[in-house]
Amino acid sequence: EAEVAQSPRYKITEKSQAVAFWCDPISGHATLYWYRQILGQGPELLVQFQDESVVDDSQLPKDRFSAERLKGVDSTLKIQPAELGDSAMYLCASSPDRDRVYFGPGTRLTVT
Amino acid sequence: KQEVTQIPAALSVPEGENLVLNCSFTDSAIYNLQWFRQDPGKGLTSLLLIQSSQREQTSGRLNASLDKSSGRSTLYIAASQPGDSATYLCAVISSNTGKLIFGQGTTLQVKP
Repeated sequence: EAEVAQSPRYKITEKSQAVAFWCDPISGHATLYWYRQILGQGPELLVQFQDESVVDDSQLPKDRFSAERLKGVDSTLKIQPAELGDSAMYLCASSPDRDRVYFGPGTRLTVT
Repeated sequence: KQEVTQIPAALSVPEGENLVLNCSFTDSAIYNLQWFRQDPGKGLTSLLLIQSSQREQTSGRLNASLDKSSGRSTLYIAASQPGDSATYLCAVISSNTGKLIFGQGTTLQVKP
C-alpha cells in the first residue's frame, strides 16, 4: 500500500539555525497538507496545497516559515531561523481531493 | 470559523468494555468527517471516513456515526482491548474552505 514519506524522522537543531523537512505524497494525490502538532494537542494546519498552488497558508508564520511544492508532487517546509517554540511534530498528509487523508510518520523537531 | 471539540480529553477503561468517544463541530457545512488514531510519537492512521450524506460507517469493532445537523459524531469501540490504547482524533473538511480541521483528541487507556 502506498504511503506518504517524510524525512528526516528526527531533527535536533540549535536556535537561529535553518531547518528543512521533505514530504513525498502518495502518487496522484493533488492535495498536500503540512501540519504542526505540539505534544498533547491536535494538529494545526500550516499550509495546504492543491497541486502546486497554495490554497491556505493563513496560519503559517511567514516571517520564518516557507513552503513550496514546485512541480505539484513533493514538498519542502523550511524554518529560518528556528526558535525554541518551534519544537513540535511536523506532519505531512495527502489526499486525492477532499477525500480520505493519509498522513506520513512525521518529523520530530527539537530546537535547543 | 469551524471549531472541533472532543470530549472527554482522556479516558481509562478496563479491558472488554464498550466505549464512546464524542466529537462536535460548530459549522455543519462539512464535506466529510474522519476519525484517526495516533500512537505516541507516531503519525496519524485513518480509521473511518464518513461522507456528509452518510449516517455511519463501520470497520471491525469500530462504528462511527454522524449527525451533521446537530454537529456531532461519535466513535463507538466494542469490546475494548489494551491494543486500542492511543489518542483518537476527529477532523472535518469544511465545505467552504476545504480545510481539514482537527479536534484536540481523546487519549484512551485500556487496562488489562
